[in-house]
Amino acid sequence: EVQLVESGGGLIQPGGSLRLSCAASGFIVSNSYMNWVRQAPGKGLEWVSVVYSGGSTYYADSVRGRFTISRDNSKNTLFLQMNSLRAEDTAVYYCVRGSNYYFDSWGQGTLVTVSS
Amino acid sequence: EIVLTQSPDFQSVTPKEKVTITCRASQSIANTLHWYQQKPDQSPKLLIKYASQSFSGVPSRFSGSGSGTDFTLTINSLEAEDAATYYCHQSGTLPWTFGQGTKVEIK
Repeated sequence: EVQLVESGGGLIQPGGSLRLSCAASGFIVSNSYMNWVRQAPGKGLEWVSVVYSGGSTYYADSVRGRFTISRDNSKNTLFLQMNSLRAEDTAVYYCVRGSNYYFDSWGQGTLVTVSS
Repeated sequence: EIVLTQSPDFQSVTPKEKVTITCRASQSIANTLHWYQQKPDQSPKLLIKYASQSFSGVPSRFSGSGSGTDFTLTINSLEAEDAATYYCHQSGTLPWTFGQGTKVEIK
C-alpha cells in the first residue's frame, strides 16, 4: 500500500526557513516523479514543485529561487527546503506521487504558518 | 501558464440528482486533464484521469468527458457522501495548474 507521511510544518516568522519531509512507503520514490502541492487556508490547490525520476526539478514561479525540492533515495524520502518564507506561503503542503502525469497518491499534509 | 476555469463555483444538489461540472482551459491541452475530489479536512483523491478514464476504485457514477479546451465531470445519481469540492488539473504544460474548485453541497 502506498503511504506518504509529511512532517516538518509549523509556525515560522517571515524571512525564516523550514524543511518539510515526506516519508514514502509501498513504492520507490526515485522511480517516480514526486511533487509538492499546497493549499492556503480556505483556498484551492496550487502545484509547487516536482522532481522527476531522472533528477530534473521544476518550480512554480511563486517559489522559484526560494524553495528547493530534493530526495534521499536511501531513506525513500522527499524534501522541500523553504527559504525566505512569506505570509503568502502559509498553507497545507501535500506530498504527492505522480504517475503518468496525474497525481495518484496524496499525503495527509503538513501545515506551514508564516506569521510574526 | 494554462488557466483552468471551473463552473459553477458552488452547487447545491438533491440526492439522486445529476451533477455536471465543467472545466475550460485557456489553451488546448488535448486530454491531459484530471479530476480530484476533496472532502472537508481530507486530502484530494483522484477520480478521473486523462479526461475520461476512471481511476481504480472510483464509483461508476463518476464519469468524465472532453478534449482540447472543454471538459466535463458528471456525477450520476448524487449520494450524500459526494459532498465535496471538485478540482480539475492539467498536466499538459508546466507549470501544472488546477481549476479554482467547485463545491458540491447536498440539500
